[in-house]
Amino acid sequence: KAGVTQTPRYLIKTRGQQVTLSCSPISGHRSVSWYQQTPGQGLQFLFEYFSETQRNKGNFPGRFSGRQFSNSRSEMNVSTLELGDSALYLCASSLTGWVNTEAFFGQGTRLTVV
Amino acid sequence: TQLLEQSPQFLSIQEGENLTVYCNSSSVFSSLQWYRQEPGEGPVLLVTVVTGGEVKKLKRLTFQFGDARKDSSLHITAAQPGDTGLYLCAGGGNYQLIWGAGTKLIIKP
Repeated sequence: KAGVTQTPRYLIKTRGQQVTLSCSPISGHRSVSWYQQTPGQGLQFLFEYFSETQRNKGNFPGRFSGRQFSNSRSEMNVSTLELGDSALYLCASSLTGWVNTEAFFGQGTRLTVV
Repeated sequence: TQLLEQSPQFLSIQEGENLTVYCNSSSVFSSLQWYRQEPGEGPVLLVTVVTGGEVKKLKRLTFQFGDARKDSSLHITAAQPGDTGLYLCAGGGNYQLIWGAGTKLIIKP
């Protein structure tokens, strides 16, 4: 079956702009989580959606937002981009989103803010 | 705040050598997962351990969960160039996975 698909793979944006990233989970998975990955920092949790509802949120400013559609596809939006937002953004899907279940990751979107 | 510390951050060894990567915390976790991430790809789950003292083997990789469920180790025997990658541990927190910063492993032929 198809894996997790993230689009686009690469993005270059200018400071102050906004960006929208997309994630299509594995068919049947209702939980989508978003992470920011920077060198040496590991994965920082942004938020998790389950059945169109945000269940959990990490410690990121309000410029970072997301949503999930009825088909479980999810989007993440970052407004007023800053240089420090440059990172690999990963989404992960799972059946339930519970911490002991396997998460399947997409290849990520590499965002560069200049 | 739950934190996971991974060590070493970087390891470069020759093919055939053994190595151990550690994941430590002062917090108790309900489970501990190990992932491997290759350049340009997302992390891929290797194993999940849930019971204190649990040991799981995956070919040449041995994973152990500490008795108190606060730490874990990954031991690789006779490392191969194909083992090269970023190894990440993630602990099952209250509502989300808590991630270590990762160990970048390079196996030289």
